[in-house]
Amino acid sequence: EPEVTQTPSHQVTQMGQEVILRCVPISNHLYFYWYRQILGQKVEFLVSFYNNEISEKSEIFDDQFSVERPDGSNFTLKIRSTKLEDSAMYFCASQTGGNEQYFGPGTRLTVT
Amino acid sequence: DQQVKQNSPSLSVQEGRISILNCDYTNSMFDYFLWYKKYPAEGPTFLISISSIKDKNEDGRFTVFLNKSAKHLSLHIVPSQPGDSAVYFCAASWGPRGRSGAGSYQLTFGKGTKLSVIP
Repeated sequence: EPEVTQTPSHQVTQMGQEVILRCVPISNHLYFYWYRQILGQKVEFLVSFYNNEISEKSEIFDDQFSVERPDGSNFTLKIRSTKLEDSAMYFCASQTGGNEQYFGPGTRLTVT
Repeated sequence: DQQVKQNSPSLSVQEGRISILNCDYTNSMFDYFLWYKKYPAEGPTFLISISSIKDKNEDGRFTVFLNKSAKHLSLHIVPSQPGDSAVYFCAASWGPRGRSGAGSYQLTFGKGTKLSVIP
């Protein structure tokens, strides 16, 4: 059964460093998302991506964040200058249309 | 801004009995509702969904009920099994939305309910 994959599973970085989180969505899906979950809090929407552009973003998704789909398979989230408060689980999700989204296993980002 | 609320942080149920997880929402724009199951250190796994044009959807042991007038949905698991022990998230969406009105069905999640099924 097709699944969303994410790498790395755990990333430790120092404050101010750039990180890139990678995702391979399900191959025939058209909509791509990043969410995050800070420990003990709810899963929060960051950004959606469709037709090779950002279609919607939340207040969290400021200028420090960017997304890219550099080829036909990968979908990346870049944080330019990490802050302590960026420490969270980051989930990639993909979807065919107005229905269920399928999530990857997540990347745990720890900023020290 | 709690548009989706799960007021019970935890629930314990005996194996074989019914588990009922509840969810309330406030945004009338929501037209699609989903339940996800999540184990520690894993991503949310899609369980079952319901469109706002329906009031019930069944898939095996799982049934979701939607009461639009009360802005309430519930997930019933019958019979409950120890393997069902996990955190269950209610989520809601409407769309398409975003740029050009075509590209996003972002999910709004509740805080989750931790279900423990006791053997």
